[in-house]
Amino acid sequence: NAGVMQNPRHLVRRRGQEARLRCSPMKGHSHVYWYRQLPEEGLKFMVYLQKENIIDESGMPKERFSAEFPKEGPSILRIQQVVRGDSAAYFCASSPPGPGGTEAFFGQGTRLTVV
Amino acid sequence: AQSVTQPDIHITVSEGASLELRCNYSYGATPYLFWYVQSPGQGLQLLLKYFSGDTLVQGIKGFEAEFKRSQSSFNLRKPSVHWSDAAEYFCAVGGLSGGYNKLIFGAGTRLAVHP
Repeated sequence: NAGVMQNPRHLVRRRGQEARLRCSPMKGHSHVYWYRQLPEEGLKFMVYLQKENIIDESGMPKERFSAEFPKEGPSILRIQQVVRGDSAAYFCASSPPGPGGTEAFFGQGTRLTVV
Repeated sequence: AQSVTQPDIHITVSEGASLELRCNYSYGATPYLFWYVQSPGQGLQLLLKYFSGDTLVQGIKGFEAEFKRSQSSFNLRKPSVHWSDAAEYFCAVGGLSGGYNKLIFGAGTRLAVHP
């Protein structure tokens, strides 16, 4: 059973471009979380999705950021018109359906650099 | 608001010495508690978790943690550190939202191990 797969591992974008980060959850997992890790900081929750539904987006910036988890295919975190401050590591985690303590498995992250 | 504090940003220990990493949380009830480890350029690996019951929790790689309700703490310990334990360690709380595992992370403690 492959783990959570994120791609690309590294992404360089110029200011104003769009960044698309992909996350394929573990087999059988229907819950996906996105977290952002700024340099020298811990991870900050961004959004929680189930298939075709955004359940909690309380950590998403109000503008330029969006996320989806379609019925088929990976979850996508999309950042439009990137700025230098978006440079960070973005981690995806997945879990099976279950109570609030069900373990979430993390991918290796996408490191976004905006130049 | 819920929060997690890891008071020590950096810790250096000698190989073979004992280790304790501190974690304090702020939450009205007893949350689910987690410790994760992150090696450079990698994702997060779960070391151990506490939901309820025995307050001393055993994890992987010889780690353990003790939940102390009176101190709102969940400190991580290891009796004898190995050079391969050098990494960043994150404490997290979860189970704060009904039915899913949204995590709040501390800022992390970076562990260096001297030979």
